[in-house]
Amino acid sequence: KAGVTQTPRYLIKTRGQQVTLSCSPISGHRSVSWYQQTPGQGLQFLFEYFSETQRNKGNFPGRFSGRQFSNSRSEMNVSTLELGDSALYLCASSLEVGRGYEQYFGPGTRLTVT
Amino acid sequence: GENVEQHPSTLSVQEGDSAVIKCTYSDSASNYFPWYKQELGKRPQLIIDIRSNVGEKKDQRIAVTLNKTAKHFSLHITETQPEDSAVYFCAASIFDDMRFGAGTRLTVKP
Repeated sequence: KAGVTQTPRYLIKTRGQQVTLSCSPISGHRSVSWYQQTPGQGLQFLFEYFSETQRNKGNFPGRFSGRQFSNSRSEMNVSTLELGDSALYLCASSLEVGRGYEQYFGPGTRLTVT
Repeated sequence: GENVEQHPSTLSVQEGDSAVIKCTYSDSASNYFPWYKQELGKRPQLIIDIRSNVGEKKDQRIAVTLNKTAKHFSLHITETQPEDSAVYFCAASIFDDMRFGAGTRLTVKP
């Protein structure tokens, strides 16, 4: 089985722009979670989608949004980029939500905002 | 919401020694506790996990223990090898919500 894939792997944007990141989960996995990883803040939960519905959301401003398609692929959008948004964005997929199903991470998208 | 604290932030051991990383969590409803290993430039990889109805789990040189009363869980690595050098993250999950510790950078010196 192919693992979780994310595109693009690297991205450079300027302040004020917007960006869309894509995540394809492991085949059969219906839950996709997004995380932001920075040296200072570690791994921070952004949101989780299951069956095209956002199930849970972390403490991030409304500039961060996402969606999930019927094939479980997910996109994350960040509008009005700020320098502090520079980070590694990881998505993880799992078979189901709740009660502790294992999550498998993608390679991440490294976003640099200048 | 859940808050996970992880200690130590850095750990250096000699090859062959044991390493222990500890995490505490705040919400007694947390029921799933995975550990991830992240090598430099790579994605986090699940190495072991434990559920709330189990006190200990072992997989070769890696073991995890859970104390629900004290709300802490630990990762134990025995007979460490240089390839164990990485950042290790603990996490605690309640239903859909998984929160991570800040990570421990483990260095195994040959």
